[in-house]
Amino acid sequence: QLQLQESGPGLVKPSQTLSLTCTVSGGSISSASYHWTWIRQPAGKGLEWIGRFSTGGSTNYNPSLKSRVIISVETSKNQFSLNLSSVTAADTAVYYCARFPWASYYGMDVWGQGTTVTVSS
Amino acid sequence: QSALTQPASVSGSPGQSITISCTGTSSDVGGQNYVSWYQQHPGKAPKLMIYDVINRPSGVSNRFSGSKSGNTASLTISGLQAEDEADYYCSSYTSSSTLVFGGGTKLTVL
Repeated sequence: QLQLQESGPGLVKPSQTLSLTCTVSGGSISSASYHWTWIRQPAGKGLEWIGRFSTGGSTNYNPSLKSRVIISVETSKNQFSLNLSSVTAADTAVYYCARFPWASYYGMDVWGQGTTVTVSS
Repeated sequence: QSALTQPASVSGSPGQSITISCTGTSSDVGGQNYVSWYQQHPGKAPKLMIYDVINRPSGVSNRFSGSKSGNTASLTISGLQAEDEADYYCSSYTSSSTLVFGGGTKLTVL
């Protein structure tokens, strides 16, 4: 059974870069049938799609975050990563990684448990 | 891209049916049949309940159903149960190949 697990620092200073990793177990990240996505949720607020990466090489980002976001994949480690630069307190949130099986249907079917990131000095 | 519009809250008694709406534009909800719905209990990750407007993943109760008319999608939960109390989010693929979520709806089972 496919599982996703987010990891990374829980505290990031303002203006620095937030870096998170999502480790995929129970399946291969290399399949071109999936998009690998990041979503975040500030405390008490709704979900926000950050972006996605396809091992076919394409990426798409939320236009509101596009200038600060890079999502990449390390297939040898079965991981994909999120880098969000120039963070502010507004980037404080629970960050989720998820799988999007676009070749089958349009919906995120497997989610990580989420990791909390706080931006504070 | 603007968030899809959902009611902030809905409520219903056990056994009743409720419907949650999700309004977008012709660039997202209305443009293609790629609307999905997620259920989120407090402190938990979201769970996919409906994909491609009307389809349920394996294991999701048939009390959950989806539909769409024009730029508005809907999630209907019939035979409400206490365990259905949660936040619900819609999401749509967009004409820009991005995804957008709704603001979320808190369902209270009275």
